[in-house]
Amino acid sequence: DGGITQSPKYLFRKEGQNVTLSCEQNLNHDAMYWYRQDPGQGLRLIYYSQIVNDFQKGDIAEGYSVSREKKESFPLTVTSAQKNPTAFYLCASRTDPATGVNTIYFGEGSWLTVV
Amino acid sequence: GESVGLHLPTLSVQEGDNSIINCAYSNSASDYFIWYKQESGKGPQFIIDIRSNMDKRQGQRVTVLLNKTVKHLSLQIAATQPGDSAVYFCASETSYDKVIFGPGTSLSVIP
Repeated sequence: DGGITQSPKYLFRKEGQNVTLSCEQNLNHDAMYWYRQDPGQGLRLIYYSQIVNDFQKGDIAEGYSVSREKKESFPLTVTSAQKNPTAFYLCASRTDPATGVNTIYFGEGSWLTVV
Repeated sequence: GESVGLHLPTLSVQEGDNSIINCAYSNSASDYFIWYKQESGKGPQFIIDIRSNMDKRQGQRVTVLLNKTVKHLSLQIAATQPGDSAVYFCASETSYDKVIFGPGTSLSVIP
């Protein structure tokens, strides 16, 4: 089935560690996104990428980094510079709006906890 | 700055009744709106969308109404079922890379 796969589902980070969340999509979508979700708040955009080898900062990019070496993959690294990383992280993708389809599709999310 | 908000953080309805979840947006330039359903610990699922050139769109048991004059949209769920219990949130888009998500309304269905 086509979809977005995030892994791991649960991840624990020690102080000072960098951790990487994986996101893979087989929908042939051009654009990919990373959002952070905290209780009682709307999704906040961390980074997005519209094409391979190009990405843009979102509203809360500090302490995070990404890469887009392949169309299918958009991993997110949470660095030690991110002081409050405990959250639910969602990867999303969408196709080129020129196709007339704008829907953003989400993965199942990854829980990151600082221990 | 731009915002998207929901009028009620929680909503309880009796099974079989209709549910109405509301959302307000701030940017009059928003031209595309989406409703999502999110079950606990899962990723959001697309429910229905609407463009600003429409004021109503219907899907299976769901209807979205858009009032651009007051910058308000609503999601109506007909004959609410226990499986509809989830958090619902709306999103508005001004441009391809500018999508604002609301905080969500938690819908509880009482059997």
